Amino acid sequence: GAVVSQHPSWVICKSGTSVKIECRSLDFQATTMFWYRQFPKQSLMLMATSNEGSKATYEQGVEKDKFLINHASLTLSTLTVTSAHPEDSSFYICSARDSHFSEQYFGPGTRLTVT
Amino acid sequence: EDQVTQSPEALRLQEGESSSLNCSYTVSGLRGLFWYRQDPGKGPEFLFTLYSAGEEKEKERLKATLTKKESFLHITAPKPEDSATYLCAVQAVYGGSQGNLIFGKGTKLSVKP
Repeated sequence: GAVVSQHPSWVICKSGTSVKIECRSLDFQATTMFWYRQFPKQSLMLMATSNEGSKATYEQGVEKDKFLINHASLTLSTLTVTSAHPEDSSFYICSARDSHFSEQYFGPGTRLTVT
Repeated sequence: EDQVTQSPEALRLQEGESSSLNCSYTVSGLRGLFWYRQDPGKGPEFLFTLYSAGEEKEKERLKATLTKKESFLHITAPKPEDSATYLCAVQAVYGGSQGNLIFGKGTKLSVKP
């Protein structure tokens, strides 16, 4: 199957700082990438969807100025959590697919802890 | 409203004890139904895609089936390494241009040796 990587796998930052998470599709070109957030013992919550070269589409209730998404190439998307606060601590997972009707493959996730 | 419900929430099996996980869905038009496996602290791992009622797919001890209202994930003679949370998701035909997945809350499977 297709491989999606994320970096870093975990990060600890201080309140008020910004953190960038990278998502890469390693062996296919991802026309669409997705960013999810997962709280303990809960399912995935879609935050935003991005197409290469276009602005991301954010789900209702997700602050676009706080969670900046860039999908600059067909293999790379980044999520920047700006002015992070402890409530932003969570498990962030990206996924990617190469066409509208193909399977969606997930990265290994990034554990963010804001102190 | 498109919705996915998985049952049971948790399932404990003895090694070798076969069982099934259920995924019930309501969707305006089904493009595809997906099964994923998620281990603690990791991203979901793709297992199967089913597109039409009557379709079945197998992978090792897992077999996924699909009807017009639900999907089952059958686990035959499970082993401890099958312990994980199994997620079901649907993609709707009329779900907008993005075709986003709608996830259920998952079934946490524990297999004891």
